[in-house]
Amino acid sequence: GAVVSQHPSRVICKSGTSVKIECRSLDFQATTMFWYRQFPKQSLMLMATSNEGSKATYEQGVEKDKFLINHASLTLSTLTVTSAHPEDSSFYICSARELGKTESGEKLFFGSGTQLSVL
Amino acid sequence: GEDVEQSLFLSVREGDSSVINCTYTDSSSTYLYWYKQEPGAGLQLLTYIFSNMDMKQDQRLTVLLNKKDKHLSLRIADTQTGDSAIYFCAEKRTGGGNKLTFGTGTQLKVEL
Repeated sequence: GAVVSQHPSRVICKSGTSVKIECRSLDFQATTMFWYRQFPKQSLMLMATSNEGSKATYEQGVEKDKFLINHASLTLSTLTVTSAHPEDSSFYICSARELGKTESGEKLFFGSGTQLSVL
Repeated sequence: GEDVEQSLFLSVREGDSSVINCTYTDSSSTYLYWYKQEPGAGLQLLTYIFSNMDMKQDQRLTVLLNKKDKHLSLRIADTQTGDSAIYFCAEKRTGGGNKLTFGTGTQLKVEL
């Protein structure tokens, strides 16, 4: 099956610093990638939809200036948490939709997630 | 907002069947999915069902959909210790683009 690689898997940073998380589709091209946030023992909350070559679409309540998303190529999307604070500590997961796939029966492929801890 | 609800926890003995339930509120759902998440990992798609189907079986997995009651279930036959994980149902709604709305997740614990 299709593979989505997400790096780093775990990062610890100081408050006020910025952290970049990468999401790569390894064996397919992804026109659309999604970024989710998951708190312990809770469900995934969609943060934003990233489309190659265009601006990301953010969900209500998500600060676009804080969570910068760049989808510069068909295989790479990045999420940068700017000026991170302890409340940004969470598990971040990306997913990707393969180019050419229609909505009918499409599958999203998920990365393995990034655990961010802000001290 | 529209919620997708699941029971939080399920414990079964190895070899028994597990049934994980999910209820949703949006009748415009087109596809419904079941994902598995192991500790510290991303989500693995297990199976999905189109909204005009009642049942789908794939090896040990059986998905039942009651569209009238907006109820979805996942049955795992002959549950093994390796099935211990969190299971999420998710729905895709008409006009929702490619976004999925995830349930609250059910922690399945398989005991020997």
